[in-house]
Amino acid sequence: SQTIHQWPATLVQPVGSPLSLECTVEGTSNPNLYWYRQAAGRGLQLLFYSVGIGQISSEVPQNLSASRPQDRQFILSSKKLLLSDSGFYLCAWSYGSGNQPQHFGDGTRLSIL
Amino acid sequence: AQSVTQPDIHITVSEGASLELRCNYSYGATPYLFWYVQSPGQGLQLLLKYFSGDTLVQGIKGFEAEFKRSQSSFNLRKPSVHWSDAAEYFCAVGPSTDSWGKFQFGAGTQVVVTP
Repeated sequence: SQTIHQWPATLVQPVGSPLSLECTVEGTSNPNLYWYRQAAGRGLQLLFYSVGIGQISSEVPQNLSASRPQDRQFILSSKKLLLSDSGFYLCAWSYGSGNQPQHFGDGTRLSIL
Repeated sequence: AQSVTQPDIHITVSEGASLELRCNYSYGATPYLFWYVQSPGQGLQLLLKYFSGDTLVQGIKGFEAEFKRSQSSFNLRKPSVHWSDAAEYFCAVGPSTDSWGKFQFGAGTQVVVTP
C-alpha cells in the first residue's frame, strides 16, 4: 500500500531564517505531488505541484520554492521566512492520471516568531 | 475555470441527528468530485469520490453523497452523527481544465457535534 510521510510535524522558526520541509511517498512510482498551505480558519491554498522529477509548477508567487530531486520526494523551501509564512503545510500525492483522489500527509504546523 | 462553493461555514448538530453538508460546483464537463474530512491538526482523509455511474456514492464512516447534475451539487449526508464526526469537511472538484491533476477545494464546513 502507499504511504506518505511528512516532517517535521511541528516547527517554530524566527523571521528571516531558512526553511526546509520534506515529503516522501512510498509504494508508488511517478506520482503527482502537491504542497498546500492552510491558514488558520481558512481553506486549502495550492502552492506547488509536480508531475515529475524536476517539474515544478507554482500557483502563487511568494517567498517559497519547491523542488523534486527524486521521484517520490518533494521539498518545500524558503531562504528567508516571513511572518505571513505561518500556517499548516500539507503535502499530498495522487496517481498521475488526473482524475484520481489526492492523499494527504499529516501536515507540518509552522509558526514564525 | 472550475470552482467549488460550500455555503455553510459552520454547522452544529446534535449527536444522533442527521447531517447534510452542501457542495455546489461549477465545471465545464463531467466533474470528478470528492469529499474529505480533516480532524484538528491532521491531514485530510478521503471520505468518498464520484467519477461516473450511480449518482449515490457510499463512503467510509457511514457517509454518502449524491451527485445532482441539474443542480450542480454534490451534498454529503450521514443519517446519524457521532461525536467523532466533529471535524472540518472539504468538497473538491477536478481535474483542472488547465492542468491535469489539479483540484479545486471548497473553503470547508466546520461541524460541531453537541451531546
